[in-house]
Amino acid sequence: DAGVTQSPTHLIKTRGQQVTLRCSPKSGHDTVSWYQQALGQGPQFIFQYYEEEERQRGNFPDRFSGHQFPNYSSELNVNALLLGDSALYLCASSETGTGNYNEQFFGPGTRLTVL
Amino acid sequence: QQQVKQSPQSLIVQKGGISIINCAYENTAFDYFPWYQQFPGKGPALLIAIRPDVSEKKEGRFTISFNKSAKQFSLHIMDSQPGDSATYFCAARKETSGSRLTFGEGTQLTVNP
Repeated sequence: DAGVTQSPTHLIKTRGQQVTLRCSPKSGHDTVSWYQQALGQGPQFIFQYYEEEERQRGNFPDRFSGHQFPNYSSELNVNALLLGDSALYLCASSETGTGNYNEQFFGPGTRLTVL
Repeated sequence: QQQVKQSPQSLIVQKGGISIINCAYENTAFDYFPWYQQFPGKGPALLIAIRPDVSEKKEGRFTISFNKSAKQFSLHIMDSQPGDSATYFCAARKETSGSRLTFGEGTQLTVNP
């Protein structure tokens, strides 16, 4: 089992550009959540996808959007990048309805740097 | 609004000592409290978790103590080892929010040999 995988590992963009980050969930998991982790901070919830729909959303602007595919993989898109978007973006997957409080497994993250 | 507050920000202990990290929460709707361990360049990994209907949970050298009335919980690492050096995050989840987690700010633990 490969666990949660994310690509790319690192990414450098300039202000105003758009970026797409990708996530493959752990085998058997159907729910994907995205988090933003600024340097020295705890992860902040961006949104969660289940059955190809956004189910929950944190306090992030509409520049942040996502998608979930039929194979449960997911993308995070950020438009009009700002310097403040520089962070580690974490994907977490879980299995809905197993009674285990939806334990989340995190990927290694994508380090985004906006210049 | 910071719903989960964590302290200290950093902690240095000697090998064999006890590491204690504290968290406080505001929202009484939280029903699940996990602790995550994160090494540099890695994503957070679940260490141990507790529900509010128990006051303590122990797994190996790691223990969570939970005080529902004070809305506080803590992580105790017994016999701390240099390999425990990492950043630790407490988190909380509401039953109605699916798997969405609210994290504390993190504690950078250094265990000296």
